Amino acid sequence: QKEVEQNSGPLSVPEGAIASLNCTYSDRGSQSFFWYRQYSGKSPELIMFIYSNGDKEDGRFTAQLNKASQYVSLLIRDSQPSDSATYLCAVNIYGNKLVFGAGTILRVKS
Amino acid sequence: GAVVSQHPSWVICKSGTSVKIECRSLDFQATTMFWYRQFPKQSLMLMATSNEGSKATYEQGVEKDKFLINHASLTLSTLTVTSAHPEDSSFYICSARDNNRGTEAFFGQGTRLTVV
Repeated sequence: QKEVEQNSGPLSVPEGAIASLNCTYSDRGSQSFFWYRQYSGKSPELIMFIYSNGDKEDGRFTAQLNKASQYVSLLIRDSQPSDSATYLCAVNIYGNKLVFGAGTILRVKS
Repeated sequence: GAVVSQHPSWVICKSGTSVKIECRSLDFQATTMFWYRQFPKQSLMLMATSNEGSKATYEQGVEKDKFLINHASLTLSTLTVTSAHPEDSSFYICSARDNNRGTEAFFGQGTRLTVV
């Protein structure tokens, strides 16, 4: 089992819709979870982080964490074409290592 | 805040030579730095984790004698690819974190290495 798993996609949504991205992780002791966005040829940029179970909202983005089920998700409301990118889920594994999932390609069609 | 500067942004070198990549945290103390490698259309693969003043911890399958990591100060870490070969051509990205301020890690711009 991979340490962090994501569906590679691509996930296609129409402009204005809600995009839902999911991630599961293997280390039950993980405490910190992150979503990064990466455009082609660029390095990742941090969108959100979440530490506690439940939802965390920041503008059009909502991160959801369920530690019992070991999954974390990212919702993007009112999706825009500029949101088209690869979204990377990252988890602090075993206390210190920051490990990434394979990423989900999101395509927002206008 | 939280700016990480990585240099160079791209480099072309001959097979058999060594290349050094620098990663600097400009406005915070990087108590931990991560080095990743990313091949086209693949995810970031963690190569090693380094804490300031300590030896780096390498991931399984990463040759520590080939990928030399130095984290001698709280603002600078370097990755040296020794005796580079074409299969080492990749996008190398550093990430830095201040453990005293949280667990968020911020990325440098990345270095595209091409070995010919």
